[in-house]
Amino acid sequence: QSALTQPASVSGSPGQSITISCTGTSSDVGGYNYVSWYQLHPGKAPKLMIYEVSNRPSGVSTRFSGSKSGNTASLAISGLQAEDEADYYCSSSTNINTVVFGGGTRLTVL
Amino acid sequence: QLQLQESGPGLVKPSETLSLTCSVSGGSISSGSYHWGWIRQPPGKGLEWIGNIYYSGTAYYKPSLKSGVTISVDTSKNQFSLKLSSVTAADTAVYYCARLRFSMRTFDYWGQGTLVAVSS
Repeated sequence: QSALTQPASVSGSPGQSITISCTGTSSDVGGYNYVSWYQLHPGKAPKLMIYEVSNRPSGVSTRFSGSKSGNTASLAISGLQAEDEADYYCSSSTNINTVVFGGGTRLTVL
Repeated sequence: QLQLQESGPGLVKPSETLSLTCSVSGGSISSGSYHWGWIRQPPGKGLEWIGNIYYSGTAYYKPSLKSGVTISVDTSKNQFSLKLSSVTAADTAVYYCARLRFSMRTFDYWGQGTLVAVSS
């Protein structure tokens, strides 16, 4: 059960759009529509941003969107704001009823 | 509003057992729609799923950790717990408890996390 692959870092200027990828296998990301994305700010509880590939929980900005193609899921953030600067993690359910996380991506808002 | 709060020692000696408890408020741990999970993050590293438990006691664990991990639930106290035996420095991490919305396989509520250091 290997961690899902994410870029270590991405950056963008305020107002721009960025995308974070999350690559797995057919046993996790590619096999199920159970991809979630979480936002981590230091010292705060992680926050769910996207579930089931593309669904936003109540209260999450519409600037956040998710998608999937094959074994790769993506989180897109449009209209970047300073408050979006954080670590982002994807997760997926697997074929053996476990959960696997990505390695995490640090988003820097320039 | 559902709240989860981790508690336990912040320092554990190598080879001993790490024990943490997650107290749930604002909702019942016996709700049939949810599992209750533990996730950790070693310093400078990513999140690692440890395992989940249903209120009935059915548990799922990360295969590579399974032999040393026990997750249990106490519905009378609305709490669930993690025990990790024979710890080493590699088990030093921030430990989070979280609610897993099982039908969506997503952790929708998290605790703030507690740092546990393994050191003599």
